[in-house]
Amino acid sequence: DAKTTQPTSMDCAEGRAANLPCNHSTISGNEYVYWYRQIHSQGPQYIIHGLKNNETNEMASLIITEDRKSSTLILPHATLRDTAVYYCIVRATPGSTGFQKLVFGTGTRLLVSP
Amino acid sequence: EAGVTQSPTHLIKTRGQQATLRCSPISGHTSVYWYQQALGLGLQFLLWYDEGEERNRGNFPPRFSGRQFPNYSSELNVNALELEDSALYLCASTLQMNTEAFFGQGTRLTVV
Repeated sequence: DAKTTQPTSMDCAEGRAANLPCNHSTISGNEYVYWYRQIHSQGPQYIIHGLKNNETNEMASLIITEDRKSSTLILPHATLRDTAVYYCIVRATPGSTGFQKLVFGTGTRLLVSP
Repeated sequence: EAGVTQSPTHLIKTRGQQATLRCSPISGHTSVYWYQQALGLGLQFLLWYDEGEERNRGNFPPRFSGRQFPNYSSELNVNALELEDSALYLCASTLQMNTEAFFGQGTRLTVV
């Protein structure tokens, strides 16, 4: 019952920006967009999240469209170590009636090549 | 600060046996989530505990169960193991009123 759609796989050259899209056309007003990544056989790692404004941290930037129906995770200078499966998730704000379990979809497998 | 810790890292059981997997959340975190990840597949939501209570469970049979202790650590029990239960079992914790989940490195369960 994942509420997001992502491409199955993407390629990126090392040093270039990786732009990973996510469609969440049924997102509700109280739902955040989260991104996690999972490097082979490790536990997923939190990257970033946002509600409606663009967000940036030391790992990545998150661009959310004005209608909030889609978003893009940007890794500005991809490295080989960024090769992983990237998951986009929507989740309601804590304390709201929609605050539910954290559900992962199938994600995007990003391959960064030299 | 210690992260989410899971034990054991590897577990080998035979079909029909029971497995017990343990998770210690980050200090102060009250919510614990369990996921199953079969080889090459995505994370399947199993269970969510918060403040000692089961809040939600995924589409898994009743032989998958768990509990959360007063110190917020958690246990996942799988009874009557089947070969297809072989997977990486991941635990994550969050602050009750916070949103980012932090994952452990998982327990790889192999059923032979």
